[in-house]
Amino acid sequence: AQRVTQPEKLLSVFKGAPVELKCNYSYSGSPELFWYVQYSRQRLQLLLRHISRESIKGFTADLNKGETSFHLKKPFAQEEDSAMYYCALSTVYNQGGKLIFGQGTELSVKP
Amino acid sequence: NAGVMQNPRHLVRRRGQEARLRCSPVKGHSHVYWYRQLPEEGLKFMVYLQKENIIDESGMPKERFSAEFPKEGPSILRIQQVVRGDSAAYFCASSPEWGNNSPLHFGNGTRLTVT
Repeated sequence: AQRVTQPEKLLSVFKGAPVELKCNYSYSGSPELFWYVQYSRQRLQLLLRHISRESIKGFTADLNKGETSFHLKKPFAQEEDSAMYYCALSTVYNQGGKLIFGQGTELSVKP
Repeated sequence: NAGVMQNPRHLVRRRGQEARLRCSPVKGHSHVYWYRQLPEEGLKFMVYLQKENIIDESGMPKERFSAEFPKEGPSILRIQQVVRGDSAAYFCASSPEWGNNSPLHFGNGTRLTVT
């Protein structure tokens, strides 16, 4: 079955500490993976996607097909990074709108 | 550009009533997606529509749920004879075109409570 798992419901770190939000997927084909973020009182929005190999707001994510993971990392967390983060998988070729979402991880960055 | 607009933000219905959720996509976007989020869960895909066409409804429950995206006006997600299990947040998203280069633009969601 196609599935996305985010094992941590809540991740709490201090400002300046490294952050890693875990995401594992289950899919036998060639996946397209995304991270979406929802800041307090804002809409869900795209943070980054693996095909772009980009760094957004200091965050990066590398697709590891061997471990079927797409963990989100940032070397130094900031308070403004506090938000809900959702990992998402697209299994329909070139169709980024039909996504399988993980349960989400709430990141809390303390001063 | 106001982004994706969903209304109402909150909707309360008694069991057996009908719920109609509206979504106006970003101006110029012709692709609309509906997702449902149950408490403590991630978003689950329901349906994908283009103007006047349902492209993929594989995530829609077989009964009581329907969706449309008419040539003029917003997309509507309709739930007939609501039950308590329909209580959830319903999110609409739009994109300008088909493909992974078109990220989804999400609305703020409609929170449906069935009493």
